[in-house]
Amino acid sequence: DPKIIQKPKYLVAVTGSEKILICEQYLGHNAMYWYRQSAKKPLEFMFSYSYQKLMDNQTASSRFQPQSSKKNHLDLQITALKPDDSATYFCASSQDGTDTEVFFGKGTRLTVV
Amino acid sequence: DAKTTQPDSMESTEGETVHLPCSHATISGNEYIYWYRQVPLQGPEYVTHGLQQNTTNSMAFLAIASDRKSSTLILPHVSLRDAAVYHCILRVAVNTGYQNFYFGKGTSLTVIP
Repeated sequence: DPKIIQKPKYLVAVTGSEKILICEQYLGHNAMYWYRQSAKKPLEFMFSYSYQKLMDNQTASSRFQPQSSKKNHLDLQITALKPDDSATYFCASSQDGTDTEVFFGKGTRLTVV
Repeated sequence: DAKTTQPDSMESTEGETVHLPCSHATISGNEYIYWYRQVPLQGPEYVTHGLQQNTTNSMAFLAIASDRKSSTLILPHVSLRDAAVYHCILRVAVNTGYQNFYFGKGTSLTVIP
C-alpha cells in the first residue's frame, strides 16, 4: 500500500485557472516537501515544511502556495496556471533527524493547456 | 549544498556488477552522501547513504573514498529493474527536522538483457 498518497494522478487544467494538488502521508513523519519535475529536467525542490510550518521556499512565484491543514497533509495550491507550470509534482516526507531518508509519492502529472 | 559530478550515462548487461562513480571534491566534514534512483513516471527511491564508512544494504554497496572526495555505488548482479537515473546528493547533517535535497541530472543506467 502506498504510504504517500497524491491526488489526482493526472490533471489537465486551462490556462488561468486554479488547481489544488493533494498530498497525504501515513508514515508518521513530521517533515513534508514538494518537488517539481518538468519534461526531461532534474527534480526541482520547491518547499519544505516541518511540523506544519514553512521551513524553506525555493519557488520564486507566489502562485504556488502550500497548505497544511493537518500534520500529515501538505496540499499545493497553484493559481493563475500557465503552460510552463506543466510538470509532474512530487510530494515527499521524512522523519526528524539528521540522516534520515526522504520518501517520495508517485506524483501528480499536471498539464496546462 | 556542495556539488557532485556524475557521468551522464552508463550501460551494463544483466547479471553484471555495476560501479556508478560520484565525485564530490568540495565535500564538507558534516555532509552525508545520499544515493537515490528514479525510473520514468515515478518518484525518486532511496538507495543508500553514508558519511565516512562503506555501507551496504539489500540494494547496493556504497564505497566511500578515505578522503571522502569521491564515492562509488556498487550494484551487484543488476537486473532490468535496476535501469534508472541514479542521483548522488550531498546533504548537510543539521538537526533541523527537515531534509532538502537538490537533484542534478544523475547517471542514466541502461541495462541490456
